Amino acid sequence: DTGVSQDPRHKITKRGQNVTFRCDPISEHNRLYWYRQTLGQGPEFLTYFQNEAQLEKSRLLSDRFSAERPKGSFSTLEIQRTEQGDSAMYLCASSSPGPYEQYFGPGTRLTVT
Amino acid sequence: TQLLEQSPQFLSIQEGENLTVYCNSSSVFSSLQWYRQEPGEGPVLLVTVVTGGEVKKLKRLTFQFGDARKDSSLHITAAQPGDTGLYLCAGAEGTYKYIFGTGTRLKVLA
Repeated sequence: DTGVSQDPRHKITKRGQNVTFRCDPISEHNRLYWYRQTLGQGPEFLTYFQNEAQLEKSRLLSDRFSAERPKGSFSTLEIQRTEQGDSAMYLCASSSPGPYEQYFGPGTRLTVT
Repeated sequence: TQLLEQSPQFLSIQEGENLTVYCNSSSVFSSLQWYRQEPGEGPVLLVTVVTGGEVKKLKRLTFQFGDARKDSSLHITAAQPGDTGLYLCAGAEGTYKYIFGTGTRLKVLA
């Protein structure tokens, strides 16, 4: 049984560049979440997918952020024209409906210089 | 949006001591989860509580969900250095959304 995986684990980019992160959820989980976590804080909800449908997107996500889950399996989170304030840990989690138990991936640490 | 406040924010104790971490909200949650997170890693689920007044035990950890489902506590007995980490509570808002607490950073000294 493989857990949630994320790629890359670390990304350093220059301000203004675009970055894309990938999340592979646990295979039988139809729910997928993206969170952002800054140092010393709890994760903040960014967006939620049920199968391939994006059902909610936080107001924290500006137009520079977009997420997809094209076939209801893996998901990508893209940030365009990165800013220093985007530096954070981006976490992906998945769950199956019912017991509300989320399982997190190891995260992608983004540093914008 | 519901808010979850955790206390204390930081806790440094000696090995063998007991401790309690609190997670409070003014709103009702359908369920609540506790996680432990280590530096550079994602949170790891410890427990889910669903019923008001529910108590769950996981070895030396005891979790309680408040009767009104607005608050929760985590009690650790005889803490060990391996318990060191960031403890997070998360409440379920609606049928799929989770709100995370502010976190409690625990350090257990040998």
